[in-house]
Formats: sequence, structure tokens, C-alpha cells
Amino acid sequence: EDQVTQSPEALRLQEGESSSLNCSYTVSGLRGLFWYRQDPGKGPEFLFTLYSAGEEKEKERLKATLTKKESFLHITAPKPEDSATYLCAVHSAGGTSYGKLTFGQGTILTVHP
Amino acid sequence: ETGVTQTPRHLVMGMTNKKSLKCEQHLGHNAMYWYKQSAKKPLELMFVYNFKEQTENNSVPSRFSPECPNSSHLFLHLHTLQPEDSALYLCASSPLRGDTQYFGPGTRLTVL
Repeated sequence: EDQVTQSPEALRLQEGESSSLNCSYTVSGLRGLFWYRQDPGKGPEFLFTLYSAGEEKEKERLKATLTKKESFLHITAPKPEDSATYLCAVHSAGGTSYGKLTFGQGTILTVHP
Repeated sequence: ETGVTQTPRHLVMGMTNKKSLKCEQHLGHNAMYWYKQSAKKPLELMFVYNFKEQTENNSVPSRFSPECPNSSHLFLHLHTLQPEDSALYLCASSPLRGDTQYFGPGTRLTVL
């Protein structure tokens, strides 16, 4: 069974204080790892898709990296508007559930001015 | 309208009511999904439709009944729900099953 664990559950940063969020996964063949941002009361907003170990993607202050066991979302010099819940999900090649994403429980990020 | 839209945004219903949630995607995608998001729990996949055909039913109780009349529209018919069904119901779509999924804003459902 696919498993996704995100840490920490919550992270409080000062504006400008860089940090990283972790997503550890166990899957039977990774087809893709996805990062989403979710604001309170809204649907998840797509950030990145990573497909193979060693791959990196960047968008503004965010950079996502992938190894064979985990992914990191690095946040450089965060601003208060980066405050949100960040979700990680995996799509695996196992079983008959093609297209099924398994989500982690999310990391709640709060950036104080 | 652009992206994925959902109506209504908020819904309060009694346990004996029947209601429907609507999702529409304006992205030209062929796969659509229903998810349930409860407090303190990861998103749970409920149903997957690919080219209007249901390809996944993640052991969802029969009081939830999906309908996909075409690749752009997805409905979730609700009847005799329980208070524990209160949650944020999210719709998503992707170009094909397995591609990156794009989510709508969700319907906040409260069952009294």
C-alpha cells in the first residue's frame, strides 16, 4: 500500500527565514510526485510535478527536489503570503489504481512579518 | 469561467435530504475526480472517471452516487447522509488519468 508522510505537521517561520518541508513516500513504482498549496477554505493549487530521482523544479521562492525515498520543498526568504498548507501526493504504478493519487496529511506553514 | 468550478460552494442539509454537487471543468480534460477532505485527515479519493467511464470507486458508501454525463461535467448525488459525512468535497480534472490534477474550490458540506 502506498504511503506518504509529511513533516513537520506545522512550521512557523519569520519573514526571510528559509526552510524546507519534507515528504517521505513508499510506493511500488513512482509515476509522479506532486506538490500542491492549499489556502483555508479553497481547493489545492498545483505547484510542481516531479517524475524521477534527481529532478528539481523552481517557481519564485519555491524549489522542489526528489530522491528515491523523499521530496523536499525548499522555501527561500519566505513572505507572509506564502502561508498555507502544502500538500504532497504520489501516483504509483502499483495495482490497478492507475490515476489514483495518495496524499500526505500536509504541512501547515505560517510566515510571520 | 476558467479552470474547474464547483457549485454550490456551501451546503447545509439534513440527514433525510437529497442534494447534488456539481463540477464543471473548462480545461478540455478527459479525466475527472471526486475527493473528500475532512479535518486532520489527508485527501481521500472517492471516484475517478476517464472519458465518462467510472474507473475507480474507492469503497464509497452507496449514499454517494456519482454521475458523469460528459467529460466536462461531474455530479455527486447525496442522499440520507450522516453527520460524519460533513467535509470539504473537492472535484479535480486532468488531461488523462494519471496526469497532473487541477482542483476546483470545493463544496463545504454540513450534515445536520
